Amino acid sequence: DAKTTQPPSMDCAEGRAANLPCNHSTISGNEYVYWYRQIHSQGPQYIIHGLKNNETNEMASLIITEDRKSSTLILPHATLRDTAVYYCIVRAGGISNFGNEKLTFGTGTRLTIIP
Amino acid sequence: ETGVTQSPTHLIKTRGQQVTLRCSSQSGHNTVSWYQQALGQGPQFIFQYYREEENGRGNFPPRFSGLQFPNYSSELNVNALELDDSALYLCASSRRGVGSTDTQYFGPGTRLTVL
Repeated sequence: DAKTTQPPSMDCAEGRAANLPCNHSTISGNEYVYWYRQIHSQGPQYIIHGLKNNETNEMASLIITEDRKSSTLILPHATLRDTAVYYCIVRAGGISNFGNEKLTFGTGTRLTIIP
Repeated sequence: ETGVTQSPTHLIKTRGQQVTLRCSSQSGHNTVSWYQQALGQGPQFIFQYYREEENGRGNFPPRFSGLQFPNYSSELNVNALELDDSALYLCASSRRGVGSTDTQYFGPGTRLTVL
């Protein structure tokens, strides 16, 4: 699986959009970008994933650059409950990847929402 | 809430003992993965079970073993506990199948302390 690079920490004011960057310059054509977050000592929470196109769900938006070498997770209106460690993970998917679905977590970005 | 449950929530054992951790997967999911998260680090993949067989393993010794049952629930067993086994143990379930992106959803974890 491709390696990802994230800033170790970021701050964001409550109510503003939080933009979390991730570099994955060695990503392969069949690899997806996944985002999870982990709030203090809880299990990681799935946020969103994408392959090529931008994606949006009720939690966040994922913007993937055209060359797929980087992506940005956007939390549109950050609240104090969004304070967490955010992990960007690249992982192959589909039938060809059966038996290799492990998630490789890095150190993530510690996002702090400031009141 | 992901529908993935783990028991017990917390556990204290002494060095050399054996421990069994349990996980119930989300309804409709057929694959279970286990991760170990030491304090201050990201989760590390232990192994994955599909159709009651181990199907992918991380860099963990054989004293870490598991089972998956016909109802897709799973157990993680650790023999000869060492102090370094103290960690949060996470279970994640997913659905492997045609058309599935096999996104993993995590349970709340079991905190194991080895004295």
